[in-house]
Amino acid sequence: QQQVKQSPQSLIVQKGGISIINCAYENTAFDYFPWYQQFPGKGPALLIAIRPDVSEKKEGRFTISFNKSAKQFSLHIMDSQPGDSATYFCAASKETSGSRLTFGEGTQLTVNP
Amino acid sequence: DGGITQSPKYLFRKEGQNVTLSCEQNLNHDAMYWYRQDPGQGLRLIYYSQIVNDFQKGDIAEGYSVSREKKESFPLTVTSAQKNPTAFYLCASSSWTSGDTIYFGEGSWLTVV
Repeated sequence: QQQVKQSPQSLIVQKGGISIINCAYENTAFDYFPWYQQFPGKGPALLIAIRPDVSEKKEGRFTISFNKSAKQFSLHIMDSQPGDSATYFCAASKETSGSRLTFGEGTQLTVNP
Repeated sequence: DGGITQSPKYLFRKEGQNVTLSCEQNLNHDAMYWYRQDPGQGLRLIYYSQIVNDFQKGDIAEGYSVSREKKESFPLTVTSAQKNPTAFYLCASSSWTSGDTIYFGEGSWLTVV
């Protein structure tokens, strides 16, 4: 039972380009949507997160866009850099499950110099 | 330094042997988690614990066991009943409040031959 679906599975972008990763969820009880970044051989780390009361959140070059009616959210990386090359996971949680997260399948991003 | 320490980083075991992965946190978090990561399948929850002396099965608990005798420690035993144990295992911790950040350790690579 996959409650959070992520696409694409892999993405190759040129330096300076925009990277876009999409996620869709099924459970309307979800109320917290974080993105995690993972470098090879390391544990994931929180990158940026959003709650459904706003449609967009920006932190530096990273932006989350959220569409509650479509049950979709996406991560945009502006001016992508080779150092952004990593695996990105979207996730979701609901208040009744505490901090327990349901993760998407992950997107492996490669930014070519 | 505050954080989550997993050990060992790399572990090789023969098929049929039980193996225990260690996880210690000094973040004073109530909740701890174990995830398994396989290529293309994202992060799958094995077990989680909201509080000392209590733990719950996640999505793929079969063939695994845990204990939570101390707030700081949440060891995972991979038993011989786990049919495909070779994977990257990640321990994490957080408060149990929805929306609080989940922090991950650096992971343990288990190879069963």
